[in-house]
Amino acid sequence: AQTVTQSQPEMSVQEAETVTLSCTYDTSESDYYLFWYKQPPSRQMILVIRQEAYKQQNATENRFSVNFQKAAKSFSLKISDSQLGDAAMYFCAYALPFGNEKLTFGTGTRLTIIP
Amino acid sequence: KAGVTQTPRYLIKTRGQQVTLSCSPISGHRSVSWYQQTPGQGLQFLFEYFSETQRNKGNFPGRFSGRQFSNSRSEMNVSTLELGDSALYLCASSLEGRSGNTIYFGEGSWLTVV
Repeated sequence: AQTVTQSQPEMSVQEAETVTLSCTYDTSESDYYLFWYKQPPSRQMILVIRQEAYKQQNATENRFSVNFQKAAKSFSLKISDSQLGDAAMYFCAYALPFGNEKLTFGTGTRLTIIP
Repeated sequence: KAGVTQTPRYLIKTRGQQVTLSCSPISGHRSVSWYQQTPGQGLQFLFEYFSETQRNKGNFPGRFSGRQFSNSRSEMNVSTLELGDSALYLCASSLEGRSGNTIYFGEGSWLTVV
């Protein structure tokens, strides 16, 4: 079974600074998808960024980028120029290509932005 | 367009009762999945429906069931409620339920069992 591990329960960063959230996963598959989701206090899960395992190029979305290390099974999220609105729980998730929407989530990292 | 809508947003039930939660996906989305979120177990996949058929199921007891209607709206039901069923239940929808599709989540239904 696939597992996703987030070893940082809490992180904090100064506004406008850069922070990196860690995620490792375990799978025997060679093709899969990885995601970072943000869950603000409203509790609605919002997709931040998605990475396809067969693509070596790291995904980026504006201030958000990932460092995908397939051999190491590592998938970290870098947030640049942190803003107050970035404060939330961040979940790393894994899914198979035809996994019919079954996301396997990590335990989450609570990110606090210090003004 | 309207997002994923879940009703009710909050509810309180007594042990032994049953509960039905509803989810309306984004218009045009045919895949609906459900997740349970608790402080102890985190986010866990319950099941996924596509075109009124359950395609995938998580590791939950048979007390948890669901269905999908022809208009893609979905309901999940929990019978014989236990205290441990207290959780945030999240519904998600996507076009076809493939991981390449963007998955959109609703704001969830908070269930408290007393």
